[in-house]
Amino acid sequence: EAQVTQNPRYLITVTGKKLTVTCSQNMNHEYMSWYRQDPGLGLRQIYYSMNVEVTDKGDVPEGYKVSRKEKRNFPLILESPSPNQTSLYFCASSFGTGVNNEQFFGPGTRLTVL
Amino acid sequence: GENVEQHPSTLSVQEGDSAVIKCTYSDSASNYFPWYKQELGKGPQLIIDIRSNVGEKKDQRIAVTLNKTAKHFSLHITETQPEDSAVYFCAARSRRPGGSYIPTFGRGTSLIVHP
Repeated sequence: EAQVTQNPRYLITVTGKKLTVTCSQNMNHEYMSWYRQDPGLGLRQIYYSMNVEVTDKGDVPEGYKVSRKEKRNFPLILESPSPNQTSLYFCASSFGTGVNNEQFFGPGTRLTVL
Repeated sequence: GENVEQHPSTLSVQEGDSAVIKCTYSDSASNYFPWYKQELGKGPQLIIDIRSNVGEKKDQRIAVTLNKTAKHFSLHITETQPEDSAVYFCAARSRRPGGSYIPTFGRGTSLIVHP
């Protein structure tokens, strides 16, 4: 089944404790991205990657890191999480960014930073 | 950069009524406008999209219209059903400074269809 998977789905952690949220897709997509969703603010892009070893900042990159060492994986890293990073996170992928390149979203990771 | 405004934030209708969600965008170079539906506990899923060279597109009970001059586009759902209840996001795809085409999302509309 073609899908985007994220792990963990739920995470409660404490301020300053490094964490990684994994994202993997099995559709051979080149483009992958991370979003955070907050009430009243919709989906805001954190980072995106056009291909292996190519990453770029989105609209809200502060406090986050990403890497793209393999085409299928795009982990999101919080080196020192803070309470304002409590949010619902989505990973997405598509073949490219041209028209008719549907973005497929993962199921989401709900992160709480105490 | 691109800015997408979406209204209303909440929309409540009776089953069988029509629902309309409106979005405006700021970048006249934006050329692709997808709409996503997010059901509770799930990620957003594409339901319909429209290119900038098309004024209207329809798929069964849903349709999208685009007015390039006014820079606004709308989602129309007819004969609403309880299973249409979800959060809907519009997006506009524009070119970022680095040359990549990236979508910018609206803030979402929570549609509630009462049986």
